[in-house]
Amino acid sequence: GQQVMQIPQYQHVQEGEDFTTYCNSSTTLSNIQWYKQRPGGHPVFLIQLVKSGEVKKQKRLTFQFGEAKKNSSLHITATQTTDVGTYFCAGRNTGNQFYFGTGTSLTVIP
Amino acid sequence: NAGVTQTPKFQVLKTGQSMTLQCAQDMNHEYMSWYRQDPGMGLRLIHYSVGAGITDQGEVPNGYNVSRSTTEDFPLRLLSAAPSQTSVYFCASSYSGQRKMAQYFGPGTRLLVL
Repeated sequence: GQQVMQIPQYQHVQEGEDFTTYCNSSTTLSNIQWYKQRPGGHPVFLIQLVKSGEVKKQKRLTFQFGEAKKNSSLHITATQTTDVGTYFCAGRNTGNQFYFGTGTSLTVIP
Repeated sequence: NAGVTQTPKFQVLKTGQSMTLQCAQDMNHEYMSWYRQDPGMGLRLIHYSVGAGITDQGEVPNGYNVSRSTTEDFPLRLLSAAPSQTSVYFCASSYSGQRKMAQYFGPGTRLLVL
C-alpha cells in the first residue's frame, strides 16, 4: 500500500543551526503538503507543493518537491526556539486520501 | 468563524462501550476526514467524506463508522471500544477537487480505552 516515510524521526539543533527533514513516497504523488504541530497542539498547514521540481519559500523555510514527485524536503535556515515542534509531510495520491509521514520532532537548544 | 470544532476534548471509555466523537466546521468545506495519531506513527486516515451523503474508508477504518448528513457535521462512531483505539483523534476539513489546499484540523479528542 501507499507509504510515506519521513526522516529523521528526531532532530536536536543549537539555535541558529539549520534543519532539514525529508519525505519519500513509495508511489508518485499528485501533491504534497507540510504541517507543523506544536507539543499538545493540532497540525497546522504550512504549504502545498504540486508541480514537479517545485521550490517554495516562506521566510526561513524552504520546501522542495522532487522531479519524480516521490520525495520532498523542508529546510529551515537559522533555527529559532519558535521552530520547535513536529513537522509532517502529507502526500496525496490520485484519489482523495492523504498519507502522512511519521513526522520529525525538532528540538531547538537555546 | 469557529473553524473546526471537536467534542469532547477528553474521554475515558471501558472496553466494549460505544461513543460518538463530534466534528463540525463552518467553512463550507466539502472534504472532511478523521485521523488518529499514535506515538511514532504520524496521522492515519480513518474515514473521509467528499460531500454530504458520501463517505469512504481510509487506511484504518475497522471499528469505526461515519456518516455525513450535512456539509457541516462529520461524526465518528466507535461501535465497541477496544484498548487499541486509545489515541488522539483529529478531524480535518478542506475544499475538495482542484481547489483542495490546506486541511484545517480541529483541536483533537484524547481517548483512553480501559
